Amino acid sequence: DAKTTQPPSMDCAEGRAANLPCNHSTISGNEYVYWYRQIHSQGPQYIIHGLKNNETNEMASLIITEDRKSSTLILPHATLRDTAVYYCIVRVEGGGGNKLTFGTGTQLKVEL
Amino acid sequence: GAVVSQHPSWVICKSGTSVKIECRSLDFQATTMFWYRQFPKQSLMLMATSNEGSKATYEQGVEKDKFLINHASLTLSTLTVTSAHPEDSSFYICSAPRGGRYNEQFFGPGTRLTVL
Repeated sequence: DAKTTQPPSMDCAEGRAANLPCNHSTISGNEYVYWYRQIHSQGPQYIIHGLKNNETNEMASLIITEDRKSSTLILPHATLRDTAVYYCIVRVEGGGGNKLTFGTGTQLKVEL
Repeated sequence: GAVVSQHPSWVICKSGTSVKIECRSLDFQATTMFWYRQFPKQSLMLMATSNEGSKATYEQGVEKDKFLINHASLTLSTLTVTSAHPEDSSFYICSAPRGGRYNEQFFGPGTRLTVL
């Protein structure tokens, strides 16, 4: 699986959009970008994933650059409950043993 | 969404005792489950892959005789920490892929183990 690079921490005001970047310059053509988050002392939670098109669901939007070497997770209206560590993971969809390799992630702190 | 549970959510034990942690997929079957360990302020580290009906696959550096894994059914995997020591104190998390096109993984809530 391709390696990812994320900033260690970010702050965001409640109600504003949180934009979390991820670099994955060695991504392969068949690898997807997945985002998970982990609220303190809980198991990780799936957020969204995509291949090359921008994706949106009820939790977030995922913007992938045209060359696929980086992406941005957008939480459109961050709340205090969005405070968590966000992990960007690149892997082959479905297969590849399914196991996930977690990097250090970005600690997002949403404040009033 | 799919649900994965873990039991217990926390446990405190004496050094030298064994502790069993259960991981259940509540609304889907999982032939494979994964066990992770997370130390404070660190990321999740994969320990092993649990395979229903066969032996688990351990990551490099993880002692298979210390961390016993049993995957006896399509909805249950257990991790037993044998002869626990204080350095085994950690947050243990399991996950299970649901299958289908995306084969997305769902994580349990984690088990906090404290060894005195």
